[in-house]
Amino acid sequence: QAVLTQPSSLSASPGTSASLTCTLRSGINVGTYTIYWYQQKPGSPPQYLLRYKSDSDKQRGSGVPSRFSGSKDASANAGILLISGLQSEDEADYYCMIWHSSAVVFGGGTKLTVL
Amino acid sequence: QVQLVQSGSELKEPGASVKVSCKASGYTFTSNAINWVRQAPGQGLEWMGWINTDTRNPTYAQGFTGRFVFSLDTSVRTAYLHISSLEAEDTAVYYCARGVGFCSVGSCSFDPWGQGTLVTVSS
Repeated sequence: QAVLTQPSSLSASPGTSASLTCTLRSGINVGTYTIYWYQQKPGSPPQYLLRYKSDSDKQRGSGVPSRFSGSKDASANAGILLISGLQSEDEADYYCMIWHSSAVVFGGGTKLTVL
Repeated sequence: QVQLVQSGSELKEPGASVKVSCKASGYTFTSNAINWVRQAPGQGLEWMGWINTDTRNPTYAQGFTGRFVFSLDTSVRTAYLHISSLEAEDTAVYYCARGVGFCSVGSCSFDPWGQGTLVTVSS
């Protein structure tokens, strides 16, 4: 079982909200981890969006719109990237990341389609 | 502004070696780690490891020991990724990324990223 699991794709309409999940493997408690999120558009490098550990320990990257926010669902053992007021420019691949046992693990990525 | 600029695309034959460069600007080079990330065609991101730009100590991820070497030339603010004995499976885009925070204790984000260097291994 992968350390981080992301749905491979998600579709949402412009103006609505999209909730992208990053589920941690059973036995790895999401509460103890900082979840990092990156956006990658075709032909471009990933860009840092934000990190979220708790409501008191979070940070959005420089220039990242407030439409992007992070949270956790402890019951699902998952980190969540919420994008509100979806725009066509939000269409991209989104990757979550954690530091686990002194190594970086990326999720497999979610392709977000805005249509 | 903070920027990482990588060297251009490379086409190599199997068994050859390649050196990818990552030149930093806009910040104190030795204040932040440099991480390396691989992305095979159509695939996700894979962390290769990082190098402490102050101590020069490299840390390699599982699967990236032996043929992969991280190095620095601090006089020109540049990090390098050297890959030897290239295999077709090494065909990928290689990214460098600045570590922001404390990579040494497993708490840093990657920001910004270089533009990527495509390494193609083919006979």
